[in-house]
Amino acid sequence: EDQVTQSPEALRLQEGESSSLNCSYTVSGLRGLFWYRQDPGKGPEFLFTLYSAGEEKEKERLKATLTKKESFLHITAPKPEDSATYLCAVQSYNNNDMRFGAGTRLTVKP
Amino acid sequence: ETGVTQTPRHLVMGMTNKKSLKCEQHLGHNAMYWYKQSAKKPLELMFVYSLEERVENNSVPSRFSPECPNSSHLFLHLHTLQPEDSALYLCASSPTDRVGGYTFGSGTRLTVV
Repeated sequence: EDQVTQSPEALRLQEGESSSLNCSYTVSGLRGLFWYRQDPGKGPEFLFTLYSAGEEKEKERLKATLTKKESFLHITAPKPEDSATYLCAVQSYNNNDMRFGAGTRLTVKP
Repeated sequence: ETGVTQTPRHLVMGMTNKKSLKCEQHLGHNAMYWYKQSAKKPLELMFVYSLEERVENNSVPSRFSPECPNSSHLFLHLHTLQPEDSALYLCASSPTDRVGGYTFGSGTRLTVV
């Protein structure tokens, strides 16, 4: 069965303090790995799709990377507005459903 | 505004009530989904509709009944719910069935009393 584990569960950073969020996964035939951002009281907002090991995607202060077992979301010099819950999801060729992790709740203090 | 609109934003209902959640998208997407999000738990897929046909029912109790009258609208009819059904219910859409990143609505916060 496909599994997604995100760590840490919660992360508190000072503004400007770079860090990484982890998404470990097991899936039979990765079709895609997805990162979403979710603000309180809102639905998840799509950030990136990664398809194969070695692939990287960037958007402003965020960079997502992918290996055969995990993905990292690197946050460089974060700002308070980056505070949110970040969700990782995987999709396999065997099962089209998008399986989500429980998320990492990021708080960036000014 | 993401292009996927859910109403109502908040709903409180008794266990004997009947209510409906509504989702609307005008993105031209052909697939729509219902997800349940409970505190500190991963999103749980409930239903998938592709081109207005239900293609998946993820072992959801019959007290949840989906309806997709056209490719732009999706409903979730609720009846005789339990307190443990209290959660954030999210609607999402994608261009085709389970391809690519999904566009989510802001959700309906449901409380069953």
